[in-house]
Amino acid sequence: NAGVTQTPKFRVLKTGQSMTLLCAQDMNHEYMYWYRQDPGMGLRLIHYSVGEGTTAKGEVPDGYNVSRLKKQNFLLGLESAAPSQTSVYFCASSYLPGTSGNPYNEQFFGPGTRLTVL
Amino acid sequence: GQQVMQIPQYQHVQEGEDFTTYCNSSTTLSNIQWYKQRPGGHPVFLIQLVKSGEVKKQKRLTFQFGEAKKNSSLHITATQTTDVGTYFCAGTGNQFYFGTGTSLTVIP
Repeated sequence: NAGVTQTPKFRVLKTGQSMTLLCAQDMNHEYMYWYRQDPGMGLRLIHYSVGEGTTAKGEVPDGYNVSRLKKQNFLLGLESAAPSQTSVYFCASSYLPGTSGNPYNEQFFGPGTRLTVL
Repeated sequence: GQQVMQIPQYQHVQEGEDFTTYCNSSTTLSNIQWYKQRPGGHPVFLIQLVKSGEVKKQKRLTFQFGEAKKNSSLHITATQTTDVGTYFCAGTGNQFYFGTGTSLTVIP
């Protein structure tokens, strides 16, 4: 049981390049999230998904796209990377509140991807 | 803009001293969660509070949810070096927001 995994762990991009970050979870969670973490800003929600085939915008969605083609995977894409997207990206997943005997929707986080855009 | 603020941003304490971080929201929250992130690590869930005025304890940690469900606090009694890390609150308002975090350093 690996929990939440993220690939890659590190990446350096040049401005204008594109890339996809992959998140996978093996806990059969319905909800999945992408956050970015910047110093002094905490974690800010980029996009999230409440189930396979559905996605929604979070607090800071501009410049990012996501897809949830399979329940266990959530992809975050940067079509044209900018230096302002230099950050640590965390994926998380959670149960639907009230299901699976769990009254809470605690989020389980992956180890993060450190992205630098030059 | 940021809807959930935490103070202080940084706190240095001597081992054995107490520590408190405060979380304030501009809107009423349906629940509040607390997470801990060790240096270089990822956030790990600690607890969730749902009821107005709720107080929960985990060993040396005490969590409170305000009566108006707009603020919360985490208090650590007699800090240890293992308490080092950043503590985040996170609440559900019109969306789910993480607080700005409080970085705790414990000096042995």
